[in-house]
Amino acid sequence: ETGVTQTPRHLVMGMTNKKSLKCEQHLGHNAMYWYKQSAKKPLELMFVYSLEERVENNSVPSRFSPECPNSSHLFLHLHTLQPEDSALYLCASSQRPGLDNSPLHFGNGTRLTVT
Amino acid sequence: AQSVTQLGSHVSVSEGALVLLRCNYSSSVPPYLFWYVQYPNQGLQLLLKYTTGATLVKGINGFEAEFKKSETSFHLTKPSAHMSDAAEYFCAVSDQSTGGGNKLTFGTGTQLKVEL
Repeated sequence: ETGVTQTPRHLVMGMTNKKSLKCEQHLGHNAMYWYKQSAKKPLELMFVYSLEERVENNSVPSRFSPECPNSSHLFLHLHTLQPEDSALYLCASSQRPGLDNSPLHFGNGTRLTVT
Repeated sequence: AQSVTQLGSHVSVSEGALVLLRCNYSSSVPPYLFWYVQYPNQGLQLLLKYTTGATLVKGINGFEAEFKKSETSFHLTKPSAHMSDAAEYFCAVSDQSTGGGNKLTFGTGTQLKVEL
């Protein structure tokens, strides 16, 4: 039990599909994150939510749409993806917004394949 | 802007040998520094972090790292490698001046292989 649970673990979707990734944290944290991990590239920060408010959006294409309904849940809605979007998508949470040394706790990720 | 460089995308050591994984960073302000480990099919797990104070930081599983400001380095070491240490290791830096969450910048990772 990592404290951060991501579903599904694996997802295969066509370019015209709509799907959603789900993340849930059981740690009482107030900040949540989406990262993209591609082979041979550094982890890319996509979105940050602090106290359910989006505080960071790193020039992510609009085909990725995040949603944070409360401090425990985070979604990433996917629409009209491209094959280059295939990657491991990692969700993370941290303790307090503005506390920049609080470590991130990661889920096990969703392996996304776009065909 | 901050950045992290991990020298060596693959490192191989013998079981019982010293592990040394290199990390250099650049940051315009004093940084917070982290090492994470990723086992196959899992997310990242925090090994250790440096914020302020003592520059030699001890983490889990016998790992430690030393913050050297003059060298802008934060190398990860372990005196004696174990087979279970085989994984990918990521160095990360956080800018103290940011707020609203901990926006880490990661290196590209170093894959550690431990051989008998």
